[in-house]
Amino acid sequence: QQNVQQSPESLIVPEGARTSLNCTFSDSASQYFWWYRQHSGKAPKALMSIFSNGEKEEGRFTIHLNKASLHFSLHIRDSQPSDSALYLCAAHNTNTGKLTFGDGTVLTVKP
Amino acid sequence: GGIITQTPKFLIGQEGQKLTLKCQQNFNHDTMYWYRQDSGKGLRLIYYSITENDLQKGDLSEGYDASREKKSSFSLTVTSAQKNEMAVFLCASSIRDWGYEQYFGPGTRLTVL
Repeated sequence: QQNVQQSPESLIVPEGARTSLNCTFSDSASQYFWWYRQHSGKAPKALMSIFSNGEKEEGRFTIHLNKASLHFSLHIRDSQPSDSALYLCAAHNTNTGKLTFGDGTVLTVKP
Repeated sequence: GGIITQTPKFLIGQEGQKLTLKCQQNFNHDTMYWYRQDSGKGLRLIYYSITENDLQKGDLSEGYDASREKKSSFSLTVTSAQKNEMAVFLCASSIRDWGYEQYFGPGTRLTVL
């Protein structure tokens, strides 16, 4: 059974700050890891994914994955007010084949 | 690009009532999903369908039925609405199964009186 936990639950940062969101998972055989972003009242939308240990950067966003420590994270450089949203991480469960989502981190970026 | 349409946007029912939510996608994706999102929380899988005529239970399937009528449409039925399942129901699709990006619809907000 996959257990995905996110921290912190909520975060307020000033515009321009570097923001870090964390996700831990329990299934050491997980292969696919995703971050989704959901603006208030909108549909979740995939932000980034990573399938192997290490780091992946896309613009202001970077994902780190460390399978040995059962941890992956999302880092946002130069945070903008438009980044304010609910961020959901998800990890693949090898037993069921399904994605398990965390409960999310609410990010608020103050202008 | 494609789009996922969910109807209705808002659904109000009485406790014990049977209610149906509908989802259509024009991505031509094989796999479709139904999730429930309680207020400010993550997504819990109710049902998914890998291809037309396939149906698989998720972690939260009790109290729900689903139907994949054709490749482009996936319906969810709340068999007996309860107050504690007031939530937003999200439909999603992906080109194939779990390793691929899921595209979400705007959701149906369920209120139970």
